Amino acid sequence: AQTVTQSQPEMSVQEAETVTLSCTYDTSESDYYLFWYKQPPSRQMILVIRQEAYKQQNATENRFSVNFQKAAKSFSLKISDSQLGDAAMYFCAYYRDDKIIFGKGTRLHILP
Amino acid sequence: DAGVIQSPRHEVTEMGQEVTLRCKPISGHNSLFWYRQTMMRGLELLIYFNNNVPIDDSGMPEDRFSAKMPNASFSTLKIQPSEPRDSAVYFCASTRDGGRTDTQYFGPGTRLTVL
Repeated sequence: AQTVTQSQPEMSVQEAETVTLSCTYDTSESDYYLFWYKQPPSRQMILVIRQEAYKQQNATENRFSVNFQKAAKSFSLKISDSQLGDAAMYFCAYYRDDKIIFGKGTRLHILP
Repeated sequence: DAGVIQSPRHEVTEMGQEVTLRCKPISGHNSLFWYRQTMMRGLELLIYFNNNVPIDDSGMPEDRFSAKMPNASFSTLKIQPSEPRDSAVYFCASTRDGGRTDTQYFGPGTRLTVL
């Protein structure tokens, strides 16, 4: 069965610095999607970035980028130039065939 | 621990019918969330409860949707009448508020298809 693991329950980073959130997953499939979601205190889920497994190029969205290592089944999120508004819970998720599995989340604190 | 339990896992119904989705949070958790997942819109928060009280239901799409949490171990999400655009995967998640990290535990989801 597929699993998603976020090994860092909590992290802190200084404002304007760079931080990397880790995510590993387990699957025997070759085609799937991976997502990072952000959940601020409002509790709404915001899609940060998505990656198709068949694409070798790492996805980027402005200050957010991923390091997708398919063989290692690793999907880390890098946030550059951290801002106070980046403080939130971040969830990694695996999706295939209408089935989505979430990690337990990493709480990110931004230190001014 | 059995984790968050959702039922049914799959539901196929016809337009106009009432649909009820069920969730049992992890014992001891006092916050419960209902989400809807579609590829178009991603994951949307519909409503969340704290200590069985609805805190924010602003994500509920319209009056056809209602959610209840009669006790700490059970919640329902009801759609009446259902429409084809309600087809999605509905997730329930729970967390132990006051915990250091607010780790959320997601259930396996209910795949709803409205014909």
